[in-house]
Amino acid sequence: EAQVTQNPRYLITVTGKKLTVTCSQNMNHEYMSWYRQDPGLGLRQIYYSMNVEVTDKGDVPEGYKVSRKEKRNFPLILESPSPNQTSLYFCASSGFNTEAFFGQGTRLTVV
Amino acid sequence: DAKTTQPPSMDCAEGRAANLPCNHSTISGNEYVYWYRQIHSQGPQYIIHGLKNNETNEMASLIITEDRKSSTLILPHATLRDTAVYYCIVRVALGGSYIPTFGRGTSLIVHP
Repeated sequence: EAQVTQNPRYLITVTGKKLTVTCSQNMNHEYMSWYRQDPGLGLRQIYYSMNVEVTDKGDVPEGYKVSRKEKRNFPLILESPSPNQTSLYFCASSGFNTEAFFGQGTRLTVV
Repeated sequence: DAKTTQPPSMDCAEGRAANLPCNHSTISGNEYVYWYRQIHSQGPQYIIHGLKNNETNEMASLIITEDRKSSTLILPHATLRDTAVYYCIVRVALGGSYIPTFGRGTSLIVHP
C-alpha cells in the first residue's frame, strides 16, 4: 500500500531537548516536504526536498533542520525545541505527475 | 503559482450536493487546479485535479469555467463524513513533482 509514515504520532517533550520526527515513503517519490499546522494559520511549509541531498527552506524554517540522505526518508530535526514549536506536523511526498500524499501527522507538545 | 480565493465556510444538508467555489483569476495557461481536503486534523487527501476540461472521479466532480478563472468542486451527495476543510490549489506541473502550498481553504459542514 502506498503510504507516507510519520513517527511518532504524539510526542511531549521539554524545552531544549533535541528530537527527531521521522518520515518515510514507499512510493519512490522525488519530492518530500514538511508542514506545520496551527489553529487559524493553516498549513505552512517548513522545508522541502526535490531529491536526495537537495533541500530548501519553506515559509517557516526557523528552528528546524532536515536531511535527505536517501530517497525514502526525510526526517525533521528540532535541535532545541521551544514551546512555540508546539504544533501538528505533516510530512508529504509527491512523484512524477502524481498528487501529494500526506502522513497522518505528528502532534508535538513542547513544555 | 496563482493565488486562490475560497469562502471560509459553507454548510450543506446531508444527501444534497455540495458546491465549493474557488476563484483563481490570475491562473496561467499551464497551471492546473487541484483540490484536497483535510478531515479533522488528519493528513490532507487528494480529491481531483483538472486543466481545462471538467473532470469527474469517484469522489467528486470539478467544473472549470471556460476562461479558467474559477472552478467549482461538486460533492454530488454529501455525507456527514464529507465534513472537512477543502483546499483549492493552482500549480504548474514543473518537472512532474510538486508539493502543494495551502491557503485557508473552505470549512464545509454537512449537517443531518
